[in-house]
Amino acid sequence: GESVGLHLPTLSVQEGDNSIINCAYSNSASDYFIWYKQESGKGPQFIIDIRSNMDKRQGQRVTVLLNKTVKHLSLQIAATQPGDSAVYFCAEKGGSGYSTLTFGKGTMLLVSP
Amino acid sequence: NAGVTQTPKFQVLKTGQSMTLQCAQDMNHEYMSWYRQDPGMGLRLIHYSVGAGITDQGEVPNGYNVSRSTTEDFPLRLLSAAPSQTSVYFCASSSPRSEAFFGQGTRLTVV
Repeated sequence: GESVGLHLPTLSVQEGDNSIINCAYSNSASDYFIWYKQESGKGPQFIIDIRSNMDKRQGQRVTVLLNKTVKHLSLQIAATQPGDSAVYFCAEKGGSGYSTLTFGKGTMLLVSP
Repeated sequence: NAGVTQTPKFQVLKTGQSMTLQCAQDMNHEYMSWYRQDPGMGLRLIHYSVGAGITDQGEVPNGYNVSRSTTEDFPLRLLSAAPSQTSVYFCASSSPRSEAFFGQGTRLTVV
C-alpha cells in the first residue's frame, strides 16, 4: 500500500549544527504533511505542517521543504540543541476529512554537547 | 487543560485475557484514533472515529474493537490478548482544522 518512509534511521550532530531529516512518500495524491517529534516515553508532538500548495514553511528554528516532483520532504532544524534529541516522524494526513495519519518509520536525532 | 488522557500507562496481560484501554479528550475534537507503535517502526493506525457513533478500521484492526458513544471517549478493547499485541498504544484526537494531539501512551505486555 501507500507509505511514508525515511532515508536515515539515525542522525548524529554537534550542538549548534544545522540538522536535516529527510522523508520520502509514495502517494502522489498526498497533499498534507506533518512532522512530529517524539521524546522517549512520550507521545508524538506536532512540530510543523505543510500543504501541497506550498514548497516551504518556516517555524521557530524549523523549516519544512516539500518537493512534489520527487515526492520528498525534509525538516531542517537550525542551531540544533541537546533538547532536540528525539525521534522525528513525517506523517501524511489523509482519510475522510483528514481524519487519519500515516507515519514513516522515524529518524532518531542525537545531539552532542 | 488535560488534552488527551490515556489509562493505564502500563499493563501486563496473560495470553487470552481481555482488557480495555481508555482514552479521553477534552478539546471537543471530532476525530479520535488509536495507533500502535512497535520497535523500529512508525505508528500504525488500528481504528479511528470521525464522530460519535462512527468508527472505522485502520491498517491493523484485527484483535481490537472500538466504540464511540460520546465525543470525549474512545476506548480500545482487546478481545483475547496475544503476545503479538505487545506494543505501545497511542490515542490521538484532532479536528479537520487542527493538528493531532497524542496521549502519553499505554505500554502493554502480553505474556
